[in-house]
Amino acid sequence: QKEVEQDPGPLSVPEGAIVSLNCTYSNSAFQYFMWYRQYSRKGPELLMYTYSSGNKEDGRFTAQVDKSSKYISLFIRDSQPSDSATYLCAMKGSNYQLIWGAGTKLIIKP
Amino acid sequence: KAGVTQTPRYLIKTRGQQVTLSCSPISGHRSVSWYQQTPGQGLQFLFEYFSETQRNKGNFPGRFSGRQFSNSRSEMNVSTLELGDSALYLCASSLEPAGATDTQYFGPGTRLTVL
Repeated sequence: QKEVEQDPGPLSVPEGAIVSLNCTYSNSAFQYFMWYRQYSRKGPELLMYTYSSGNKEDGRFTAQVDKSSKYISLFIRDSQPSDSATYLCAMKGSNYQLIWGAGTKLIIKP
Repeated sequence: KAGVTQTPRYLIKTRGQQVTLSCSPISGHRSVSWYQQTPGQGLQFLFEYFSETQRNKGNFPGRFSGRQFSNSRSEMNVSTLELGDSALYLCASSLEPAGATDTQYFGPGTRLTVL
């Protein structure tokens, strides 16, 4: 079993919808949680960074961490076709090595 | 400021050959990490270099090696290529070594195909 599980999708939603992307993990030592976005033929870019449990909001993006359930989420409000990409969750514990989810391919239909 | 650059962008090799990939980090960044990305496994950590020293290594066979030069540029080498080495190899740079709040900036990757 992988340390971080993420549904690969694809997830297809109409423009303007609220998107929910999720990851579950098994290692309770993870303390730092990140979401990256990767466009085709590009490297990942950091979207959101959260420490421990709680919510963090940045524009249309909200990251949520529930350490008791070992579950993290990324919400995208008012989704746009330009949000179409692969979204990767990543997390790290005290050794600071990033452990990645497989990525969810998101398609926003105009 | 220029981003992370990787060369070449695409590479086709045959089994048994060796390959060298290059990464130039963002100016001023001294830490370089390498990852292998495949559809089934996602991103897997290969190794991290800081100030020409390997700080961490992932769970890959010894055929995978790397180095960092005094100007922070890094190379990774894969010897005796296998079909399963076909992947996107990503390089990421950051100001400081892996820590709580470091931010890694990724290059576009080198797409390696092994035939």
